[in-house]
Amino acid sequence: AQSVTQLDSQVPVFEEAPVELRCNYSSSVSVYLFWYVQYPNQGLQLLLKYLSGSTLVKGINGFEAEFNKSQTSFHLRKPSVHISDTAEYFCAVTGGGNKLTFGTGTQLKVEL
Amino acid sequence: DAGVTQSPTHLIKTRGQHVTLRCSPISGHKSVSWYQQVLGQGPQFIFQYYEKEERGRGNFPDRFSARQFPNYSSELNVNALLLGDSALYLCASSVDHATYNEQFFGPGTRLTVL
Repeated sequence: AQSVTQLDSQVPVFEEAPVELRCNYSSSVSVYLFWYVQYPNQGLQLLLKYLSGSTLVKGINGFEAEFNKSQTSFHLRKPSVHISDTAEYFCAVTGGGNKLTFGTGTQLKVEL
Repeated sequence: DAGVTQSPTHLIKTRGQHVTLRCSPISGHKSVSWYQQVLGQGPQFIFQYYEKEERGRGNFPDRFSARQFPNYSSELNVNALLLGDSALYLCASSVDHATYNEQFFGPGTRLTVL
């Protein structure tokens, strides 16, 4: 079984500042890792995924994440945020197949 | 191409009633998964169906059931509704179930139980 911990429930940041959203996972098997974004009253949109290969993965909207196996982390970063990045962000893991285990989410609030 | 569609968008029921939620996957996708997202939490896996067979089940009571039709659309049924069933129900489709394939999520159905 897998589990995901998102330590920060809310992250306020000023526009054009960098941001990091933290994600740690637990699994007894190799994992695939994902970050999803959810805008108010909408479903989930995939930002990026790590399946194998390079540990630094780039996604949509300027986001990137780094897979760190020794620290069991998959933190999401963006060098300069925009007001439109305000949303809920979910880290998710699967050991294979399509059953995703999600974290509790981090609300990113970008302020002027 | 159309994305994953779900109906209805919103639904209000009272305790004890039953509800049916519907999902149409992306054309060519044969696997459908259902998730429950309670307010303030991450989505929780309920079911996965592939080729009309259940391929995975999360930790939900037997009041929850689902099925998949020959056209790969799916229904989620919940009987004897409880207040705690109030949530956003998300459907996701993918090409198949055997190895990881990207899942595409629909907009969800917001269920309110009074």
